[in-house]
Amino acid sequence: AQSVTQLGSHVSVSEGALVLLRCNYSSSVPPYLFWYVQYPNQGLQLLLKYTSAATLVKGINGFEAEFKKSETSFHLTKPSAHMSDAAEYFCAVSDRDSGTYKYIFGTGTRLKVLA
Amino acid sequence: GAGVSQTPSNKVTEKGKYVELRCDPISGHTALYWYRQSLGQGPEFLIYFQGTGAADDSGLPNDRFFAVRPEGSVSTLKIQRTERGDSAVYLCASSGRTDTQYFGPGTRLTVL
Repeated sequence: AQSVTQLGSHVSVSEGALVLLRCNYSSSVPPYLFWYVQYPNQGLQLLLKYTSAATLVKGINGFEAEFKKSETSFHLTKPSAHMSDAAEYFCAVSDRDSGTYKYIFGTGTRLKVLA
Repeated sequence: GAGVSQTPSNKVTEKGKYVELRCDPISGHTALYWYRQSLGQGPEFLIYFQGTGAADDSGLPNDRFFAVRPEGSVSTLKIQRTERGDSAVYLCASSGRTDTQYFGPGTRLTVL
């Protein structure tokens, strides 16, 4: 069975500082991993995904994530935070084991950017 | 192109009433998913359709919840005898040939 753990339900960074949002996964098969962003009162927008190609994945809005099998991690980073990055971020793993490809989400990390 | 749309955006109902939530997926997407997101939580899977059939309904919490997709496009999530604990945001997503799911804006259901 797959699962996802996001450490830190709230993260605060200063504008211009590095953003690091943590995600660890558990999967019995090679995982497909995703990061989504959710702005207030909106749906989920795909930031980036890992599907067994390059381990360093670049996404939209300057975000990237590195798949590390040895650490079972897929942490999200951005070199310089912008005020517009304030949102909730969800890591998800696709349930490939069952063949449904439904997502199992983490509990989310709310990012606050301080001026 | 058009994304996933959901109607209504907000629904307020009284305990015990019946509600229907609608999802219009991206045209041509055969896979459709419903999730429920409670306050402060990540979305939780409810049901998955491949075409017209419900391929996995293991996430439906009880038999008050039911969903259909009669023509393989639009889907309706139906909740009977609503309870206050059903209050949440209901998200719909669709997927084409890849594993990437595209989400709608959600329906916020409030049961008074």
